[in-house]
Amino acid sequence: QVQLRESGPGLLKPSETLSLTCTVSGGSISTYSYWSWVRQPPGKGLEWIGYIYYSGSTNYSPSLRSRVTISMDTFKRQFSLSLASVTAADTGVYYCARGSRDLDLWGRGTLVAVSS
Amino acid sequence: SYVLTQPPSVSVAPGRTASITCGGTNLGAKSVHWYQQKAGQAPLLVIYYDRDRPSGIPERFSGSKSGNTATLIINRVEAGDEADYYCQVWDNTSDRLVFGGGTKLTVL
Repeated sequence: QVQLRESGPGLLKPSETLSLTCTVSGGSISTYSYWSWVRQPPGKGLEWIGYIYYSGSTNYSPSLRSRVTISMDTFKRQFSLSLASVTAADTGVYYCARGSRDLDLWGRGTLVAVSS
Repeated sequence: SYVLTQPPSVSVAPGRTASITCGGTNLGAKSVHWYQQKAGQAPLLVIYYDRDRPSGIPERFSGSKSGNTATLIINRVEAGDEADYYCQVWDNTSDRLVFGGGTKLTVL
């Protein structure tokens, strides 16, 4: 069965770039076409970041568009999130998920803290 | 930007029925999805496209929609249903995915 797992640094300083990778196991990353990122600040609700289509096309949240890049490496069965110029407001749990309109499979999430 | 409105909290006794609402402008024209998030866990899709249930989700969970309000219904509530529940739509106007603010379900 398909599983997702996020990985990446858990602690960043302000102004640095957040880089996370989601590894897809148990299935092809191209079979199911859309792959998304969602985040959740501590004690708060879910916020959509964006998605990538297997062809490489992307769609980002307007509020993050100027700082976000989502990319994919189908050979490695991975897709990645890059968020530039982070601040404390970017602290939270980051989830990767499958889908674009509804998200039917999620990774366990990874906590990213931004602190000087 | 598009907004989905959920009550912050709902309380229900075990064995009773819980109803969690989600309101939004022109919601009738959008497909609503629901997620359950237990403490310390990732969200889990429990209802998609208004009323469909993914494989493995108990039949106690159902969804409905009327006008601009969607409702997640949990019959015969169990202690294990205690969680935060989020509704979600795709907003074609802004071309983005939108979550409701979430509802904390407490089982008394």
